[in-house]
Amino acid sequence: AQSVTQLGSHVSVSEGALVLLRCNYSSSVPPYLFWYVQYPNQGLQLLLKYTTGATLVKGINGFEAEFKKSETSFHLTKPSAHMSDAAEYFCAVSRYGNNRLAFGKGNQVVVIP
Amino acid sequence: GAVVSQHPSRVICKSGTSVKIECRSLDFQATTMFWYRQFPKKSLMLMATSNEGSKATYEQGVEKDKFLINHASLTLSTLTVTSAHPEDSSFYICSARDEQGPGGYTFGSGTRLTVV
Repeated sequence: AQSVTQLGSHVSVSEGALVLLRCNYSSSVPPYLFWYVQYPNQGLQLLLKYTTGATLVKGINGFEAEFKKSETSFHLTKPSAHMSDAAEYFCAVSRYGNNRLAFGKGNQVVVIP
Repeated sequence: GAVVSQHPSRVICKSGTSVKIECRSLDFQATTMFWYRQFPKKSLMLMATSNEGSKATYEQGVEKDKFLINHASLTLSTLTVTSAHPEDSSFYICSARDEQGPGGYTFGSGTRLTVV
């Protein structure tokens, strides 16, 4: 079974500062890893994903994440926070041959002007 | 890109009545769809996996008779909340498996159900 850990339910960041959201996973086989963003009363939008290949993945809106197998991590970063980045962010994991996504508890990002 | 349309976006119903939520894949065929429930300030909880033409697979603790799922075609899955109670009030989100899509999964915009 796979699981995802996201620490710190609320993350406050100043506008223009680095955004760092941590995600650790457990999986018995090589995972597929995802980051999603959710705005209030909306569904989930894919930010980026890792399946195979390059471990540094670039996504939309200036976000990127790095898959580190040795640390079982897939942390999400953005160099400079924008007010529009205020939202809920979810890390998720699945594995080849298994359709199901397992989600972390999410991080509510607040951007301070 | 792949789009999943979910309707209605909001619904208010009286206790004891049933509510149907639709999830349609607009430009691709979805043999597998997922239904999630999201409580306030919480993550997504997988309720069931529906496969076109067969019975849905429910997660442990989810009442099959209360949350009826039908996936009669490759583009439509429905979730019916039967005999709704206030504790069923929640945000419900569907997702479709799209092998060709950028993420492999495309999510609907969600349905806010309020039972009064």
